[in-house]
Amino acid sequence: QKEVEQNSGPLSVPEGAIASLNCTYSDRGSQSFFWYRQYSGKSPELIMSIYSNGDKEDGRFTAQLNKASQYVSLLIRDSQPSDSATYLCAAGTNSNSGYALNFGKGTSLLVTP
Amino acid sequence: DGGITQSPKYLFRKEGQNVTLSCEQNLNHDAMYWYRQDPGQGLRLIYYSQIVNDFQKGDIAEGYSVSREKKESFPLTVTSAQKNPTAFYLCASSIGTGPYEQYFGPGTRLTVT
Repeated sequence: QKEVEQNSGPLSVPEGAIASLNCTYSDRGSQSFFWYRQYSGKSPELIMSIYSNGDKEDGRFTAQLNKASQYVSLLIRDSQPSDSATYLCAAGTNSNSGYALNFGKGTSLLVTP
Repeated sequence: DGGITQSPKYLFRKEGQNVTLSCEQNLNHDAMYWYRQDPGQGLRLIYYSQIVNDFQKGDIAEGYSVSREKKESFPLTVTSAQKNPTAFYLCASSIGTGPYEQYFGPGTRLTVT
């Protein structure tokens, strides 16, 4: 079973702080990794993708990948109340029938004013 | 505007009835996907299609059927054989199957009583 694990939270951070979200995956063959943001009652919105070891920055967001440790993280700098949402981690792998994304259950983030 | 549309947003059906959920995209993407999301659960893949007239079962295909007669359209039928059909259904698309970013439509919330 190809699993993606996330702490369900809620993770509570004060406004302006750095929020750190973590994810581990079980399939060493995973090649691509994605972070989605999902507001309550809405569909997931892609915020970051990462394919290589190291850091990738986009605005206030930084994704970090460590394939040796099978670990992906998302840092949100200068957190805002509008960042309060559930963050889904996904890992992509090849299977017999094609390529599939495996999703974690998500981490709930609450940014308090 | 390029994007993915799903209709209807909310759908109510009686047990024993088949129901078809619509998904259309104008992103010129080859690959399309159907996921199901239940409270507190990760997204689970129902079916996906790499090209027109081809589709593959995902992890939870039982009780569902799909068709892909046009590149833009990938409707999902929830049949009466699906034991627990009440869920949030999400359609996604990507350039192709592989380590590509998937983009989601707004979702259809199906309630079966």
